[in-house]
Amino acid sequence: DGGITQSPKYLFRKEGQNVTLSCEQNLNHDAMYWYRQDPGQGLRLIYYSQIVNDFQKGDIAEGYSVSREKKESFPLTVTSAQKNPTAFYLCASTPGQGYYEQYFGPGTRLTVT
Amino acid sequence: QKEVEQNSGPLSVPEGAIASLNCTYSDRGSQSFFWYRQYSGKSPELIMFIYSNGDKEDGRFTAQLNKASQYVSLLIRDSQPSDSATYLCAAHYNFNKFYFGSGTKLNVKP
Repeated sequence: DGGITQSPKYLFRKEGQNVTLSCEQNLNHDAMYWYRQDPGQGLRLIYYSQIVNDFQKGDIAEGYSVSREKKESFPLTVTSAQKNPTAFYLCASTPGQGYYEQYFGPGTRLTVT
Repeated sequence: QKEVEQNSGPLSVPEGAIASLNCTYSDRGSQSFFWYRQYSGKSPELIMFIYSNGDKEDGRFTAQLNKASQYVSLLIRDSQPSDSATYLCAAHYNFNKFYFGSGTKLNVKP
């Protein structure tokens, strides 16, 4: 089955620890994205990548980092510099090349205490 | 700042009625528009996309786009209780960037 997987589904960390969220897709999509969703709010773009080894900051990139070493994978690291990391994190991808329908993974709910 | 605005709701409709969800966007550079359904605690699911002015129908769903008025809408015919969810509107801009509204919560009452 083609799709986007995110792991883990739930993640609990202590304040001050870095944590890495996994995102993998087997759709052969060019572009991948990370969003953050807080309760009752829309999605805010953290980072996106259109091709391997290239990525751009979104609107709320501070305190986050990403890599895109393989087309299928786009991991997100939430660093200790992120002041309010508790949120629902969503990974998405689009086919690219003129096709912009964006598909989402199941999400990771991160709680930092 | 590119903005996508939606009424947060909740919008309540009886089962079998037409639900009308609306969205406005601020930047005329927006190229295409998307509607997502999001159940509580789940990730968004793409239900419709529209690139050109006019109407686009898919089953019980119709998306409407009016670029002159910077307005996008989603009509759900024969609404079912299973349609109860939050509906997110998104606008696509250049360089693969998307902006999302905060969503409209729809309640379909049996």
